[in-house]
Amino acid sequence: GENVEQHPSTLSVQEGDSAVIKCTYSDSASNYFPWYKQELGKRPQLIIDIRSNVGEKKDQRIAVTLNKTAKHFSLHITETQPEDSAVYFCAAILTGGGNKLTFGTGTQLKVEL
Amino acid sequence: GAGVSQSPSNKVTEKGKDVELRCDPISGHTALYWYRQSLGQGLEFLIYFQGNSAPDKSGLPSDRFSAERTGGSVSTLTIQRTQQEDSAVYLCASSPGSHYNEQFFGPGTRLTVL
Repeated sequence: GENVEQHPSTLSVQEGDSAVIKCTYSDSASNYFPWYKQELGKRPQLIIDIRSNVGEKKDQRIAVTLNKTAKHFSLHITETQPEDSAVYFCAAILTGGGNKLTFGTGTQLKVEL
Repeated sequence: GAGVSQSPSNKVTEKGKDVELRCDPISGHTALYWYRQSLGQGLEFLIYFQGNSAPDKSGLPSDRFSAERTGGSVSTLTIQRTQQEDSAVYLCASSPGSHYNEQFFGPGTRLTVL
């Protein structure tokens, strides 16, 4: 089965700085990689996703990069703001596994004023 | 429109009792998932329903756990003979179909086993 590792587990940045969260996956057949944001006490929500035929995708201050050869993908948040503080989860879907997501263990991001 | 709803929001039970957790997916979504999130941990896949296909039960941690989805809509997750290690937030999600679709999560049920 799929295994997803996520680093770091916690990340503190100053407001305005960039934040990078990295994930690696084990199964080279994985082909879809979403990122979810979970604010304290709330449900996870999709913020961006990338498919294996694309190397990079951007949406305003958020970008995701994918390196299929190395089997890793990263979330980049630029010009961080206090409302970016949350737990971020990466995930991967294994080809042939339906839509079953395997999640990383999460990164607690804190944006300090 | 209405999002995914779950009930109850909180459940406290005694060790050894059975519990039922309910999920109402977004109308028209054919795929439904159950996940478990322990305190400070990631989301652990439990079970996945897609249309009329047989469910993927590969994530259920033991035979005390079961789930059903009636009429392709509402789902119930049942935990029999609850143990303290079952304490967690149980999250349900639904999506429009299989493959590359965003999963919309419910607010979760916080289960505490005393």
